Amino acid sequence: EIVMTQSPATLSVSPGERATLSCRASQSVSSKLGWYQQRPGQAPRLLIYGASTGATGIPARFSGSGSGTEFTLTISSLQSEDFAVYYCQQYNNWPWTFGQGTKVEIK
Amino acid sequence: QVQLVQSGAEVKKPGSSVKVSCKASGGTFSSYSFNWVRQAPGQGLEWMGGIIPIFGTPNYAQKFQGRVTITADKSTNTAYMQLSSLRSEDTAVYYCARALGGAYFYFDYWGQGTLVTVSS
Repeated sequence: EIVMTQSPATLSVSPGERATLSCRASQSVSSKLGWYQQRPGQAPRLLIYGASTGATGIPARFSGSGSGTEFTLTISSLQSEDFAVYYCQQYNNWPWTFGQGTKVEIK
Repeated sequence: QVQLVQSGAEVKKPGSSVKVSCKASGGTFSSYSFNWVRQAPGQGLEWMGGIIPIFGTPNYAQKFQGRVTITADKSTNTAYMQLSSLRSEDTAVYYCARALGGAYFYFDYWGQGTLVTVSS
């Protein structure tokens, strides 16, 4: 199965600053990559699919890029509600697999 | 709008089984894929398997083959996940999640989660 590796494990950022999260696949997943946000006690929420397409209702400050094995999620200016855990997920090869998550915390 | 509403929390003994339901509303149930993703306490997300109701044949992650059964009832727009031979390591929140299917297995809607606790 494809292993998804996210870095860093924890990212400390001040409100209003930019956050850059990375996700690497153990083999190419083309652009079949999604990003999710999970706030404490809540279900995950889809942010990005197809590596770079914003899901319905997602603010424009969230953007995704990359293809193949290297992907990035950028949050341009962190708001208080953005402090959460972020997961990437590949859906190019069955079984679908997730990264271990990056926690974005307040600096 | 689309909503996935799951059944309530369960406490089970080791060796027993649990069945969790996920009722969908606001969309065309049969043609989407309904999947189960679990999250152990303080851990990440793990895909268990899924089903497209119109086809009826489930797919399971290798790790859960033989222990998990995923079904769908088109008459009630409800998907089910049954996990048997429960052990303490199965203590987790179980989510149902919808995907478009085909080449698009990202999860656009999620249920609220069901906590399953396995304890003697």
